[in-house]
Amino acid sequence: GQSLEQPSEVTAVEGAIVQINCTYQTSGFYGLSWYQQHDGGAPTFLSYNALDGLEETGRFSSFLSRSDSYGYLLLQELQMKDSASYFCALVTGGGNKLTFGTGTQLKVEL
Amino acid sequence: DAGVIQSPRHEVTEMGQEVTLRCKPISGHNSLFWYRQTMMRGLELLIYFNNNVPIDDSGMPEDRFSAKMPNASFSTLKIQPSEPRDSAVYFCASSRPGTSANEQFFGPGTRLTVL
Repeated sequence: GQSLEQPSEVTAVEGAIVQINCTYQTSGFYGLSWYQQHDGGAPTFLSYNALDGLEETGRFSSFLSRSDSYGYLLLQELQMKDSASYFCALVTGGGNKLTFGTGTQLKVEL
Repeated sequence: DAGVIQSPRHEVTEMGQEVTLRCKPISGHNSLFWYRQTMMRGLELLIYFNNNVPIDDSGMPEDRFSAKMPNASFSTLKIQPSEPRDSAVYFCASSRPGTSANEQFFGPGTRLTVL
């Protein structure tokens, strides 16, 4: 099976940079995705790493290191609207399944 | 374009009753996923379909749960009989053909409360 671990909560100041880490255990996977979920809302796709290295999408970047079984989501120029839960998810099952991590609640303060 | 549509948005029922959740995926998407989210267990995949065919139902908790996808634009998740521990938010998601499951589009969810 697969397991993913994330910090339960991270707090940062508006305008700052924050990194949300994800460590995983799996026998094989296609890549690592990141999703954002606001309270009462649905998860929405943010980023995907199929290969090792950094992927940049606007203020969000995601990193994957297969050798370290580790990835992270980097959020720059934090805004209050970034307060949400963030989930990493392994793509497995022939590329057809997502296994989600425990989620990290990000609180952005003034 | 309309996103994934789920109904009802909220459902309150009593233990032992049958519950049916409905989902309409995004037009043109060929994979459909049902998830359950709780504080204790997080976001869990229950079952997914590819081209209307169930591919993996290993996440379905027990025989009380069943899912169908009679055509490309409709799927149901049924719980019979329902129990208080089934209380959760149930999400349906879909993804495009020719891509891996990395980018899924989620519906707004159905919040189920079983008393």
